[in-house]
Amino acid sequence: NAGVTQTPKFQVLKTGQSMTLQCAQDMNHEYMSWYRQDPGMGLRLIHYSVGAGITDQGEVPNGYNVSRSTTEDFPLRLLSAAPSQTSVYFCASRRRGQVDEAFFGQGTRLTVV
Amino acid sequence: ILNVEQSPQSLHVQEGDSTNFTCSFPSSNFYALHWYRWETAKSPEALFVMTLNGDEKKKGRISATLNTKEGYSYLYIKGSQPEDSATYLCASQGSNYKLTFGKGTLLTVNP
Repeated sequence: NAGVTQTPKFQVLKTGQSMTLQCAQDMNHEYMSWYRQDPGMGLRLIHYSVGAGITDQGEVPNGYNVSRSTTEDFPLRLLSAAPSQTSVYFCASRRRGQVDEAFFGQGTRLTVV
Repeated sequence: ILNVEQSPQSLHVQEGDSTNFTCSFPSSNFYALHWYRWETAKSPEALFVMTLNGDEKKKGRISATLNTKEGYSYLYIKGSQPEDSATYLCASQGSNYKLTFGKGTLLTVNP
């Protein structure tokens, strides 16, 4: 099992560019989510999905779009990158149960210049 | 308590010391409390998921307790080793499956 695969690992964007961060899991997990991690802020939830075709906003959704066309994939799209989106992004997945732990991808370090 | 709060923010201990840190969370709409260990340049990895008041879990030298009535959990590390150096995150899980994370406690164990 590969677990949660997140790509790319590093990315530099110019302000106004768009890009997609990829996230795929092979554990048949229903629940997937995207977090951003900024110094002194901990992990903040951007968007999440409880199953294919269902997505919802988290704590900091502005500037990001998601879709969940399959159980395996949950891409995060930056529509028009801004310097404020410079951060480390983590994708996570878990089963939709009460006591199930989250599994995290390797993280993407994004810099917007 | 509206947010998940962790204390202390950071601490330094000597190898062999035992230590503990605290996670405080809203006791309303509570489903589960998660603890994760996050080493530098890696991804967070789960330590424990606890649900019941009075739960106590143990993995090697690390253990955790849960008080859902007053909204806190303690993480204990017995006989700290340099490889225990990491950020320890707790997260509260509500009924909508979302995890709300604290800012973490950064532990440094000096040899």
